[in-house]
Amino acid sequence: QITLKESGPTLVKPTQTLTLTCTFSGFSLTTFGVGVGWIRQPPGKALEWLALIYWNDDARYSSSLRSRLTITMDTSKNQVVLIMTNMDPVDTATYYCAHTNSSAPIDYWGQGTLVTVSS
Amino acid sequence: DIVMTQSPDSLAVSLGERATISCRSSQSVLYTSNNKNYLAWYQQKPGQPPKLLIYWASTRESGVPDRFSGSGSGTAFTLTISSLQAEDVAVYYCQQYYTSPLTFGGGTKVEIK
Repeated sequence: QITLKESGPTLVKPTQTLTLTCTFSGFSLTTFGVGVGWIRQPPGKALEWLALIYWNDDARYSSSLRSRLTITMDTSKNQVVLIMTNMDPVDTATYYCAHTNSSAPIDYWGQGTLVTVSS
Repeated sequence: DIVMTQSPDSLAVSLGERATISCRSSQSVLYTSNNKNYLAWYQQKPGQPPKLLIYWASTRESGVPDRFSGSGSGTAFTLTISSLQAEDVAVYYCQQYYTSPLTFGGGTKVEIK
């Protein structure tokens, strides 16, 4: 079955760079159409889509956060990495990674990891 | 970017009664070549990740109870819970996957009256 798990720091300081790793199983990111994305959710607030990378290394980003985000994949490790620069307290959120296919909804989600930005 | 707007922000419905949630997109998410609306609905319970309920605007995901239904086309969509059960208390989100950036609605919180 498909599983995804997020890992990374739980606390970062303002201006620091956040690096999150999504480790997945049950599918391959070399399969045509497959994608892995990142979505975040500040406490008590709505979901916000951040970035997505497809099997062909095609990366897509949130328009408002594009300048701060980088998404990469390592197919040998079954991992996707999200880098977010210049962290701010407003970036405090639960960060989810998720599985999708091109032109399809998100069908599997990780459990999420809470990242707090505070000095 | 396509902006997704949900209404209401919250609603309270008696057990067994109907709950209706609206979602509007700032531009059409209907792909005319295949006549499919690239619109999904998710349910999120406290402390859990979202769960896919409906895709293509009206297709229930496997295992989703048939009291959940989706309708609409183009820019206007509705999620209906025909007979609200206690386990349906959650926040519901719509999302368009027509084009990136993929975008979510602001969510609708459903509670028991």
